[in-house]
Amino acid sequence: DTGVSQNPRHKITKRGQNVTFRCDPISEHNRLYWYRQTLGQGPEFLTYFQNEAQLEKSRLLSDRFSAERPKGSFSTLEIQRTEQGDSAMYLCASSLTSLNEQFFGPGTRLTVL
Amino acid sequence: GESVGLHLPTLSVQEGDNSIINCAYSNSASDYFIWYKQESGKGPQFIIDIRSNMDKRQGQRVTVLLNKTVKHLSLQIAATQPGDSAVYFCAENYSGTYKYIFGTGTRLKVLA
Repeated sequence: DTGVSQNPRHKITKRGQNVTFRCDPISEHNRLYWYRQTLGQGPEFLTYFQNEAQLEKSRLLSDRFSAERPKGSFSTLEIQRTEQGDSAMYLCASSLTSLNEQFFGPGTRLTVL
Repeated sequence: GESVGLHLPTLSVQEGDNSIINCAYSNSASDYFIWYKQESGKGPQFIIDIRSNMDKRQGQRVTVLLNKTVKHLSLQIAATQPGDSAVYFCAENYSGTYKYIFGTGTRLKVLA
């Protein structure tokens, strides 16, 4: 499978715990996006990387959230001290600089108890 | 504020009929728009895009229309098939940012 992959697909955690999600973009895609999606809503932009540089962050990304893309390939999204309001689907997408089409992964569904 | 909205939350059409899904956007600075299809349990899938210097773009069985005067976007699906059943989102991007703003979605139900 050469598409965008995300791990884990599902994560259940207790409030206050830290969680980390991983996204592996399509090979050679230098653009990478993280989104959050709640039931019945469209994806909400969280952050954007071009190669290893984090070029844009949403106000939604509080100081409990941090994203990295250390080598310009895979990316991680960490949420510290999770809250019930963090329960959502976290989507990753990648694209080439020369094209705007974003390819989305299947998402990681987070449930905070 | 910035927002992308949809007129109809659910649209039911007969198989074989044409579907029209509408979207209103509020940011006149937006210059790029995308329609996505999302099936249950999957990430959004790119359908078609259009830039603000165009008012119409056609793909395979799909057409996107852009009316900048009233800030309206529509997706037309010809000869709707059961496999078209999904939630459809429009998204906008404005020049100078990497941020895409998605609407809340329209559920398309295709009736046999």
